[in-house]
Order: sequence, then C-alpha cells, then structure tokens
Amino acid sequence: QITLKESGPTLVKPTQTLTLTCTFSGFSLSTSGVGVGWIRQPPGKALEWLALIYWDDDKRYSPSLKSRLTITKDTSKNQVVLTMTNMDPVDTATYYCAHSRPGYGDSFDYWGQGTLVTVSS
Amino acid sequence: QSVLTQPPSASGTPGQRVTISCSGSSSNIGSNTVNWYQQLPGTAPKLLIYSNNQRPSGVPDRFSGSKSGTSASLAISGLQSEDEADYYCAAWDDSLNGPYVFGTGTKVTVL
Repeated sequence: QITLKESGPTLVKPTQTLTLTCTFSGFSLSTSGVGVGWIRQPPGKALEWLALIYWDDDKRYSPSLKSRLTITKDTSKNQVVLTMTNMDPVDTATYYCAHSRPGYGDSFDYWGQGTLVTVSS
Repeated sequence: QSVLTQPPSASGTPGQRVTISCSGSSSNIGSNTVNWYQQLPGTAPKLLIYSNNQRPSGVPDRFSGSKSGTSASLAISGLQSEDEADYYCAAWDDSLNGPYVFGTGTKVTVL
C-alpha cells in the first residue's frame, strides 16, 4: 500500500532555511503521471498548496512562494525534498506531503501524517 | 489567500442532509475538475471526491459532489456523528494565483 512520511526539524529560527524530506513507499516516482506534492496548514487555518514534482521532473510552485521554494526528487531513495528559504514565524504550520496520480482528477489521494514546524527565535 | 470560497460552518442532526458550497472562478472551477477533502480532528486530510463527483474506493455513497459553472457542492446525506470534520474543496487554477488552490474550509458539526 502507498505510504508517505514527512521528516525534518520541528523548530527553525527566523531567516533560516527549512529542509523537509518526504519518504514514500508503495509507488515509484518514475511511473508516468505520478507526482508528489507539499501542502501546509497553519494552526487553525486552511490548507495551502506549496509545490509539486512529477515523474518527469516537471515542477510546479505556488506563485506567492516560488522565490523561496525548491522541490527535488531522488527516485532511487523514494524521497522528495522541499526547501524553503528565509523562514518567518508566519510559516509555522503542519507540512504534509501527498501522492498524485493520473485518473484521480489530479488530486492528492494519499497523504503523510504531517510534521509540525515552528518558526521562532 | 484561498481563492475558493466556502461557508465557514454547516451543521445538521444525525440523518439529515448537509450541503457545502464552493465558489471559484473561470480560471479554476470553471476550467478544471473539483476535488473534496475531509479532515477529521487532528488528522491529515483524506480525499473524499475527485473529478467533481467520483468517490475513491472506501468512501461511502452518502458523500456526493457536483459542479456547475464556477461553483461546486458537496452533499452529505444521512449525516453521521463521524462526519464531524473540516471539508475543503480544491481545484487546479490556470491563472497566476497558483496551480492548485484549496477552499477556505467548512467545519461540519453534527448536532
């Protein structure tokens, strides 16, 4: 079955760079049409889509955060990495990675449990 | 920052039908299919409806989705206590606002 799990620091200081890793199993990111995305959710607020990387290395970013985000994949390790520069307290949120595949309306059909990242000095 | 608008809350008694609206624009709902996610308290979101009205395996047929023009709706019939959760609509957006956009979210309370 498909599983995803996020890992990374739980606390970062303002201006630092956040690096999150999504380690997955049950699918291959070299399969046509498959993608892995990142979504975040500040405490008590709505979901916000951040980025998505496809099997062919096509990358999509949220326009409002594009200058701060980088998404990469390591197919051999079954991992996707998201980096976000210049972290600010408003970036405090639970960060999720999720799986996307053809035939499901370009939706995210499997999600990781999420990891809470707090930005504070 | 959400470009899809939902009512903040909805409620009903067990067995009732509850409907949640999602209003967008020509660049998102008007051009692409709508997905719905359910987020139970303290858990990750779960895909509930994809491609406007399709249910993934395991989702009860009490949940149904529809789309018309630049709006979409999620209906929950035969409301149950375990349906108490936050619900989000989402769609791809063809404009500069962002490739994938979520709704503002609706908290469903079972009275």
